[in-house]
Amino acid sequence: KQEVTQIPAALSVPEGENLVLNCSFTDSAIYNLQWFRQDPGKGLTSLLLIQSSQREQTSGRLNASLDKSSGRSTLYIAASQPGDSATYLCAVNGQAGTALIFGKGTTLSVSS
Amino acid sequence: GAGVSQTPSNKVTEKGKYVELRCDPISGHTALYWYRQSLGQGPEFLIYFQGTGAADDSGLPNDRFFAVRPEGSVSTLKIQRTERGDSAVYLCASSLTLAGGELFFGEGSRLTVL
Repeated sequence: KQEVTQIPAALSVPEGENLVLNCSFTDSAIYNLQWFRQDPGKGLTSLLLIQSSQREQTSGRLNASLDKSSGRSTLYIAASQPGDSATYLCAVNGQAGTALIFGKGTTLSVSS
Repeated sequence: GAGVSQTPSNKVTEKGKYVELRCDPISGHTALYWYRQSLGQGPEFLIYFQGTGAADDSGLPNDRFFAVRPEGSVSTLKIQRTERGDSAVYLCASSLTLAGGELFFGEGSRLTVL
C-alpha cells in the first residue's frame, strides 16, 4: 500500500530565505506526482505536476524534483515571501486513472 | 463555471440524520473525485468517477456512504445515519481525463455532526 510522508511537518523561516520541502513515497511505481498548496479553510490549489518520466518542473519561484528510484520529491521555494505561508501537500498516484494518495503536508510560515 | 463548485460550504447536522453534499466540476472534465480531510491530515480518497460510473469506490468507509453522478457532470455524496466521526471537510476534485491529469479542487464542504 502506497504511503506518502512529508518532512518537516512545520517550518518557520524569515522572508527572503530559500527553502526545501521533502516528500517520500514507499512504492516507486508511480504515474505522476503533484504538489498542492492549501490555505487555512480553503481547498487545494495545484502548484506543479511531474509525470513519472520527468525529473523536475518549474513555475516561477517554485521548482519540484522527482527521483522515482529513491521514492523522493522535493519542492524548492526561492526567495520566500509572507504570502507563501500555507500548507504544502504532496500526492502520488500509482497508475493512470487511479486516485492520488496524499501526505499530511508541511505547514510553512514565512515571517516579514 | 470557472472552477469546481461545492455546496453547501458548511453543514451542521445531528447524529443519525441524512446528509447530501453536492459537487459541480469544471465543465468538460470527465473525471470526478471525492476526498475527506480531517484536521491536520492530508485528504483521504473516497471514490472517483469516470463519466457516470464509479471507477473506484474502495475508499468509502462503509455502506452509509454513497455517491452518484447520473449525468456525468454534477455529483452528490450521500451519507446516511451520520455519526460524529463523519465530521470533516469533504473535498471534490475534477480532471480533464482519468489519465493522470492535473486535479482541480473545490473549496470543500465542512460537515459537523453534533
